[in-house]
Amino acid sequence: DGGITQSPKYLFRKEGQNVTLSCEQNLNHDAMYWYRQDPGQGLRLIYYSQIVNDFQKGDIAEGYSVSREKKESFPLTVTSAQKNPTAFYLCASRASGSSYEQYFGPGTRLTVT
Amino acid sequence: AQSVTQLGSHVSVSEGALVLLRCNYSSSVPPYLFWYVQYPNQGLQLLLKYTSAATLVKGINGFEAEFKKSETSFHLTKPSAHMSDAAEYFCAVSGGQAGTALIFGKGTTLSVSS
Repeated sequence: DGGITQSPKYLFRKEGQNVTLSCEQNLNHDAMYWYRQDPGQGLRLIYYSQIVNDFQKGDIAEGYSVSREKKESFPLTVTSAQKNPTAFYLCASRASGSSYEQYFGPGTRLTVT
Repeated sequence: AQSVTQLGSHVSVSEGALVLLRCNYSSSVPPYLFWYVQYPNQGLQLLLKYTSAATLVKGINGFEAEFKKSETSFHLTKPSAHMSDAAEYFCAVSGGQAGTALIFGKGTTLSVSS
């Protein structure tokens, strides 16, 4: 089945540690996105990539980094510079030429203590 | 710049009652509009989308939405609520950065009582 996988589902880290969240898709989509979700705030865009080896900052990129070395993969690193990293992180993808709908992975809940 | 406002962070209905979730948008270009549903600790699932074809859009699970340009609205409705409809619902508009990212509303939590 085609889809987006995110791992792990739950992640716990100590403050000061970097952590990388995985996102893989087998939909052959060109564009991929990372969102952060906090209660009552909807989804906020962290980074997006429209093509391999290229990515752009979203609205809340500070303290995060990404890479796009393969079409299928778009990992997100939450660095120690991110002041409030505890959140639910969602990865999404979109096919080229589509009417902009995005398909979402199941999410990773990150807790930093 | 595009934006989305969802009126009411929490809506409660009885099973069998009409569901109405409100969404207003702001867009400088003809928008593409979407409704997504999210169950606890899961990703978002596309319910329906408006892409400038028919103004009344039918989606999955009996939901539909009507695009009203004059009111800049895209409200989501379902004639008869089911317990399984309890979830969080997000309205989104296209045309964010580089025209590809979606801009989401803050979400509306739907509760359904028996």
